[in-house]
Amino acid sequence: AQSVTQLGSHVSVSEGALVLLRCNYSSSVPPYLFWYVQYPNQGLQLLLKYTSAATLVKGINGFEAEFKKSETSFHLTKPSAHMSDAAEYFCAVSDWNGGSQGNLIFGKGTKLSVKP
Amino acid sequence: DAGVTQSPTHLIKTRGQHVTLRCSPISGHKSVSWYQQVLGQGPQFIFQYYEKEERGRGNFPDRFSARQFPNYSSELNVNALLLGDSALYLCASSPGDSHEKLFFGSGTQLSVL
Repeated sequence: AQSVTQLGSHVSVSEGALVLLRCNYSSSVPPYLFWYVQYPNQGLQLLLKYTSAATLVKGINGFEAEFKKSETSFHLTKPSAHMSDAAEYFCAVSDWNGGSQGNLIFGKGTKLSVKP
Repeated sequence: DAGVTQSPTHLIKTRGQHVTLRCSPISGHKSVSWYQQVLGQGPQFIFQYYEKEERGRGNFPDRFSARQFPNYSSELNVNALLLGDSALYLCASSPGDSHEKLFFGSGTQLSVL
């Protein structure tokens, strides 16, 4: 069965500093991986996705993630944090169980705080 | 264009009651998925409907049911509410039956007292 583990429920960085949010996955098949962001009182917005093409995936708002099969990781990074990046971030893997292709398995989330 | 819209935005119920949550997908989207997000956790898959047929069901009890209408809108019904059903219920739509392009609504916050 597929699963994701996000390391660190809270991450705090200073404005302008590197953002690194960690995600490790477990999958019995080549995974499709996603990062979503959730701002307070809002739904989830797709940041980026890996679907077995390039291992370095660029997303919106300057975020990118690198798929590393040997480490089973899909960490999210941004070179310079902005105050508007403060939100909760979720890593997700597709649930290829031979049935529905329409659902994702989410991690527990990492709340990012950005200090001025 | 309007995004995914959900109603109501907030709801308070008592144990044992029934609740119906509604979702209108983005125009042209034929698939609707429902997720439950308990405070402090990631969303958990409940149902997916595509072209009015159930395509997937998560690990939820039979108290949870859903349906999709000819206009592709959807309802999620929960019977015999428990305190543990308190959560943010998210609806997501996509053009086809794949999860690769999910667009989420802002959710319905359900509180069960």
